[in-house]
Amino acid sequence: GESVGLHLPTLSVQEGDNSIINCAYSNSASDYFIWYKQESGKGPQFIIDIRSNMDKRQGQRVTVLLNKTVKHLSLQIAATQPGDSAVYFCAENGISGGYNKLIFGAGTRLAVHP
Amino acid sequence: DAGVIQSPRHEVTEMGQEVTLRCKPISGHDYLFWYRQTMMRGLELLIYFNNNVPIDDSGMPEDRFSAKMPNASFSTLKIQPSEPRDSAVYFCASSPGRVGEAFFGQGTRLTVV
Repeated sequence: GESVGLHLPTLSVQEGDNSIINCAYSNSASDYFIWYKQESGKGPQFIIDIRSNMDKRQGQRVTVLLNKTVKHLSLQIAATQPGDSAVYFCAENGISGGYNKLIFGAGTRLAVHP
Repeated sequence: DAGVIQSPRHEVTEMGQEVTLRCKPISGHDYLFWYRQTMMRGLELLIYFNNNVPIDDSGMPEDRFSAKMPNASFSTLKIQPSEPRDSAVYFCASSPGRVGEAFFGQGTRLTVV
């Protein structure tokens, strides 16, 4: 499969542990944020989103926390599984001339060990 | 729906040749994005369209790059002439509205030798 081979920060966790992936965003005017997961050879896939009027949102095994004061976003994965191994990106919805414009962060590689 | 469809999946070309990447967005999506992913720069937004109109092309690296969207179901990204530093994975994505997730295709891995 295709792999870009990015030189990314890596988070290594044991299977069953909880994972926390962090992201700092740049634009205080951004009103919408998304976490994406990218497996080797695939395009980024949506995990969970959050709007700026919320500070926490939960999905299945995942929770996103938003701290607008320090422009920080985190993704928490409960009971991490080998299938969670991937590169994770946060994206902010920057508005350009009134239009949608998703800007991606650098990404974090999550490695899950048995 | 089959999702965003990109072609080809892999392209190997010689420096100086013209390369055309193709994308079919999800039906009904008003936004179409072209991204490039490299080791050095990660995921970069090159250009995006709304209702087939280019809105922001500030990410297009040089005049060698051009993108078109002749109708709601088709877009192309062209590089002419191609250079080795254009080697990357190019993703197309589409989105249904002004604020929301973008759905990505599988990408085209371009290698320019």
